[in-house]
Amino acid sequence: EADIYQTPRYLVIGTGKKITLECSQTMGHDKMYWYQQDPGMELHLIHYSYGVNSTEKGDLSSESTVSRIRTEHFPLTLESARPSHTSQYLCASSLAGLGNGYTFGSGTRLTVV
Amino acid sequence: QKEVEQNSGPLSVPEGAIASLNCTYSDRGSQSFFWYRQYSGKSPELIMFIYSNGDKEDGRFTAQLNKASQYVSLLIRDSQPSDSATYLCAVRRYGGATNKLIFGTGTLLAVQP
Repeated sequence: EADIYQTPRYLVIGTGKKITLECSQTMGHDKMYWYQQDPGMELHLIHYSYGVNSTEKGDLSSESTVSRIRTEHFPLTLESARPSHTSQYLCASSLAGLGNGYTFGSGTRLTVV
Repeated sequence: QKEVEQNSGPLSVPEGAIASLNCTYSDRGSQSFFWYRQYSGKSPELIMFIYSNGDKEDGRFTAQLNKASQYVSLLIRDSQPSDSATYLCAVRRYGGATNKLIFGTGTLLAVQP
């Protein structure tokens, strides 16, 4: 069972609202990632972090922001949600090392109306 | 050319057959390779990883790596309808501070009862 948790699982919210998607892991992983994935489509990396106070933008441009104040916590914030933000957001974490893959959370399915 | 290439499928195989999923990568410096399974509407889960040339077996799954040909494959023996999912190939490059995996777009496998 994965020890990485995302909340909420589903979120329907109006345009213009500020939202924060939560991601926490209890595995002590120093590296964490946020992906965006539309149904049936590929994963797109939007943010990543190599440790506390370290955050980088990913390959896909995103209007969201992230923070990493604690090792276990990597929240993603949208200041003003738009319908184009409707998607599934997946959080993942890993240890360093060639043989260490990512552990994914269950995801947050966001719908902006 | 994408760094990690997979045929999107769908790959349709009858129940009990061997399913062969293929992946090619462009960076010769890539060091480790991962296979993830993603059911529709769910998050990816790690099946196997491999970093040495040759075969690695785990139950009904066999990962094969050929670094000279920049090719990695996943064989699923005795395919079951419950194996129907999208299979993602992911590659980790050698060196540097980055621990990022580069994901392919995935191959949709459909096992017919």
